[in-house]
Amino acid sequence: NAGVTQTPKFQVLKTGQSMTLQCAQDMNHEYMSWYRQDPGMGLRLIHYSVGAGITDQGEVPNGYNVSRSTTEDFPLRLLSAAPSQTSVYFCASRFDRGSNQPQHFGDGTRLSIL
Amino acid sequence: AQSVTQLGSHVSVSEGALVLLRCNYSSSVPPYLFWYVQYPNQGLQLLLKYTTGATLVKGINGFEAEFKKSETSFHLTKPSAHMSDAAEYFCAVSEKYSGGGADGLTFGKGTHLIIQP
Repeated sequence: NAGVTQTPKFQVLKTGQSMTLQCAQDMNHEYMSWYRQDPGMGLRLIHYSVGAGITDQGEVPNGYNVSRSTTEDFPLRLLSAAPSQTSVYFCASRFDRGSNQPQHFGDGTRLSIL
Repeated sequence: AQSVTQLGSHVSVSEGALVLLRCNYSSSVPPYLFWYVQYPNQGLQLLLKYTTGATLVKGINGFEAEFKKSETSFHLTKPSAHMSDAAEYFCAVSEKYSGGGADGLTFGKGTHLIIQP
């Protein structure tokens, strides 16, 4: 059981480039989410999905797009990378929203925008 | 809307001393409560959780936390700190989802635990 798998683990981009951060889970969880972690800011929710075909914005959605075509996959797209998007990104999954079950996290993607 | 406050962005204790990491929350309904640990360059791992029942919850690595409804607190403790406990700790609160667009899980900003030899 792999849990939540994120790729790549590290990435360096130039300003204006686009890229997709991949996230997959094998626990059949309905709820998936993307966070960014910055020093002193804790975890901030970017986007989330309550099931295949359903996504919604979190606290800091600007500059990011998501889609959820399958239960397993929840990719995060940076449309035009900016230095302010330098961060560590975590994907997480959970049985469902508002659940007493915990979030399961991937190991993160460390992204630098030059 | 719920919120989570972790008192102290950095806490330093000596090896063998008591660890106390504070978490207070605001919630309009009895919440579900979680503590996560993050070791350097890793994702978050669940330490323990409170959902219902006994208010003193035991987790992994000798940690425990007590849910105190009257104080809206869920402080994390460990009787004797070990060097391997050095990490970032996050408290999180979840309410039963009752509709609306918000995510059901709110994290505190984290407390960095430093263990002095």
